[in-house]
Amino acid sequence: GDSVTQMEGPVTLSEEAFLTINCTYTATGYPSLFWYVQYPGEGLQLLLKATKADDKGSNKGFEATYRKETTSFHLEKGSVQVSDSAVYFCRGGTSYGKLTFGQGTILTVHP
Amino acid sequence: DVKVTQSSRYLVKRTGEKVFLECVQDMDHENMFWYRQDPGLGLRLIYFSYDVKMKEKGDIPEGYSVSREKKERFSLILESASTNQTSMYLCASTSSGAADEQYFGPGTRLTVT
Repeated sequence: GDSVTQMEGPVTLSEEAFLTINCTYTATGYPSLFWYVQYPGEGLQLLLKATKADDKGSNKGFEATYRKETTSFHLEKGSVQVSDSAVYFCRGGTSYGKLTFGQGTILTVHP
Repeated sequence: DVKVTQSSRYLVKRTGEKVFLECVQDMDHENMFWYRQDPGLGLRLIYFSYDVKMKEKGDIPEGYSVSREKKERFSLILESASTNQTSMYLCASTSSGAADEQYFGPGTRLTVT
């Protein structure tokens, strides 16, 4: 069945470091792909998305590119800030199938 | 501005009590979902609904039931709360299928003592 595998954490970085959180998917067909962020004490909110191969989603300095050949949607940011500390979830879904979340990655950024 | 609201942010209940968690969305969305979130386990789908009075079991429905009498409201019911149901509960909605963005409520932190 459809599944999403997300890099396990926790990830701890210093401010201004480069961030990558890996996400790969397995699906019949081509799912839409999403990254959600959950700040402490809050629900999830959409960070960025891509609906087809080679699409790049971007928001708040974060980027992810839909790579069909590697079935991946890795999240990147060139220079993280303390305020980026949160839990990040990768999600996939097709119009005829299930929603599938990754396990979540806890990111902590130190000053 | 789209909004999903949940009836309580924090809730403490005793073992054996009947617990109602309510979720309301103002976006006229067809689909609504209940998840629980536990450390190390990510988000696990309890139930979802794709229309009024319709419901489908998710991955972990045992010990839970749901009700959707109106399009905007989706309730999660714990018939007899147990300590292993202590968790964060998240409600979400989406306009159509799994390929669409989900909108989440702020969550309810339930503690069963």
